[in-house]
Amino acid sequence: EPEVTQTPSHQVTQMGQEVILRCVPISNHLYFYWYRQILGQKVEFLVSFYNNEISEKSEIFDDQFSVERPDGSNFTLKIRSTKLEDSAMYFCASSDDSQGTQYFGPGTRLLVL
Amino acid sequence: LAKTTQPISMDSYEGQEVNITCSHNNIATNDYITWYQQFPSQGPRFIIQGYKTKVTNEVASLFIPADRKSSTLSLPRVSLSDTAVYYCLVGAQGPLFSGGYNKLIFGAGTRLAVHP
Repeated sequence: EPEVTQTPSHQVTQMGQEVILRCVPISNHLYFYWYRQILGQKVEFLVSFYNNEISEKSEIFDDQFSVERPDGSNFTLKIRSTKLEDSAMYFCASSDDSQGTQYFGPGTRLLVL
Repeated sequence: LAKTTQPISMDSYEGQEVNITCSHNNIATNDYITWYQQFPSQGPRFIIQGYKTKVTNEVASLFIPADRKSSTLSLPRVSLSDTAVYYCLVGAQGPLFSGGYNKLIFGAGTRLAVHP
């Protein structure tokens, strides 16, 4: 069964550093999403992406965040200058339709020190 | 997006049937009801989706009464591996809705613990 993959599984970084989280969505999917989950809290929507542009973003997704689909398979989330409060699990998801079921990856655990 | 209410936690034993009910009084005409499961340190996993009456798949059943103001996820004969958080989501997701983009709004979910 096709699945969403994410790398790295864990990342530790220093405050102020840039991080890039990588995702490979399911191959025939066209809609891509990033969510995050701070430890012990809810899963929160960050951004949706379609046709090489952001469709919607949440208040969390400020100027420090950006997304990109650099090639036909990868979908990345960049945090320009990490803050302590960016420590969380980051999940990528994809769907084949704007209203279709979203399939989540296993997540990247980001720890900002 | 319709607000949902579900129990914070539930306990069960292996082999029992578990029913988790979700209230969504403000559900809109084009809203679907979707359930996701999340194991610790993993991403949410789609379980089942429905619009009305009953839907069944290899994992669970979803019961939706005629007024659609609530829904019940039924897990038959749970095992220890069903210990997870279960989320009920209500929103314009599914074939009846056209246009727009679909962000998922997760609540706190129901933490199900299955005991030996």
